[in-house]
Amino acid sequence: DAGITQSPRYKITETGRQVTLMCHQTWSHSYMFWYRQDLGHGLRLIYYSAAADITDKGEVPDGYVVSRSKTENFPLTLESATRSQTSVYFCASNPGINYGYTFGSGTRLTVV
Amino acid sequence: SQQGEEDPQALSIQEGENATMNCSYKTSINNLQWYRQNSGRGLVHLILIRSNEREKHSGRLRVTLDTSKKSSSLLITASRAADTASYFCATAGVNDMRFGAGTRLTVKP
Repeated sequence: DAGITQSPRYKITETGRQVTLMCHQTWSHSYMFWYRQDLGHGLRLIYYSAAADITDKGEVPDGYVVSRSKTENFPLTLESATRSQTSVYFCASNPGINYGYTFGSGTRLTVV
Repeated sequence: SQQGEEDPQALSIQEGENATMNCSYKTSINNLQWYRQNSGRGLVHLILIRSNEREKHSGRLRVTLDTSKKSSSLLITASRAADTASYFCATAGVNDMRFGAGTRLTVKP
């Protein structure tokens, strides 16, 4: 019972390549979120989803695409990776706005 | 842009002392939450305080919220070396939550 899992744990990709980060939760939480964490910026929201087939942009959505065809999965795709997208990416979920988030362990992405 | 801003950015104390971290925010909120992050790990939810609450306790944690000043504080009493981590406040709006840059707490044994 892992709760919320992210894969891969580490990823190195080249500039211009497409890369997908996976997120899977086992609780059937309605809400799922993608954040990136960079030194000096804390966590910044990329995209979030309130339910299957419903997604919304966060603070820094440019260059990213998400989908949510199933409640438990919320993949994040970098369509054409750039060096500025080198970061640690965290997925999170919660049942609703008045609940705490549960975070995954993160994916450390390096774009070279 | 970030919603919450923590103060101080870094805090170093001795084991057994209390640690106080502050958070200020700019817009109206549904609730405010505090999280802990150990180096290289995901964030762990500590406590949630709703906008109509003023104070909340959980073990050695005490959180206050002043919506008129748009500020919150997290007090960790009788700190331990294991409390060494970064602490983030996060403000929940209608559907999402925004985080501050965090306070790095070091507790020396």
